[in-house]
Amino acid sequence: QQQVKQSPQSLIVQKGGIPIINCAYENTAFDYFPWYQQFPGKGPALLIAIRPDVSEKKEGRFTISFNKSAKQFSLHIMDSQPGDSATYFCAASNSGYALNFGKGTSLLVTP
Amino acid sequence: GAVVSQHPSRVICKSGTSVKIECRSLDFQATTMFWYRQFPKQSLMLMATSNEGSKATYEQGVEKDKFLINHASLTLSTLTVTSAHPEDSSFYICSFKDGTVQETQYFGPGTRLLVL
Repeated sequence: QQQVKQSPQSLIVQKGGIPIINCAYENTAFDYFPWYQQFPGKGPALLIAIRPDVSEKKEGRFTISFNKSAKQFSLHIMDSQPGDSATYFCAASNSGYALNFGKGTSLLVTP
Repeated sequence: GAVVSQHPSRVICKSGTSVKIECRSLDFQATTMFWYRQFPKQSLMLMATSNEGSKATYEQGVEKDKFLINHASLTLSTLTVTSAHPEDSSFYICSFKDGTVQETQYFGPGTRLLVL
């Protein structure tokens, strides 16, 4: 049972565009929501994470928006670059237990 | 971020043999670590969770006698795939939870296993 639903499955944007990836969850006990970036043949790398007590968090070109009432959160990549082409995973966990991953979004940023 | 290493990065073995994968945290000590498996173009699936000095807790559908986990110390964990078969071919990734930064998990670079 997929506890975190992620969309879209794939996304193509032009350089400079702002891709948005969305995730939704059902378990209200989740209290930690990270995003990971994964390049082919590599392990996931933590990009940014948020907790339910804030509605937005920004780190560099990456922003998480969090809507607690809707149980949704999203990743925005500002001024996207070809080097951002990768697979992005959202995840959620409850008080430090194992992460529940979304299915991933394959992002392609064209020059 | 923290550094986690895995060895080997890639392994090819014959069906029926056993393969050991090492996972080390290089700059922090972790009491909890996780092993994931990832098939091509799919998400990461949790296989097991282990705490240092305790037996691993396996997810439903993961055979504990086939995937042996040893969390030997706060910086080292090993996964042994026993009597590997072609269907075990996958990308295996470990992660450590940094206890000083709450839930933050740091992942290793992964090990590509191909069983012929």
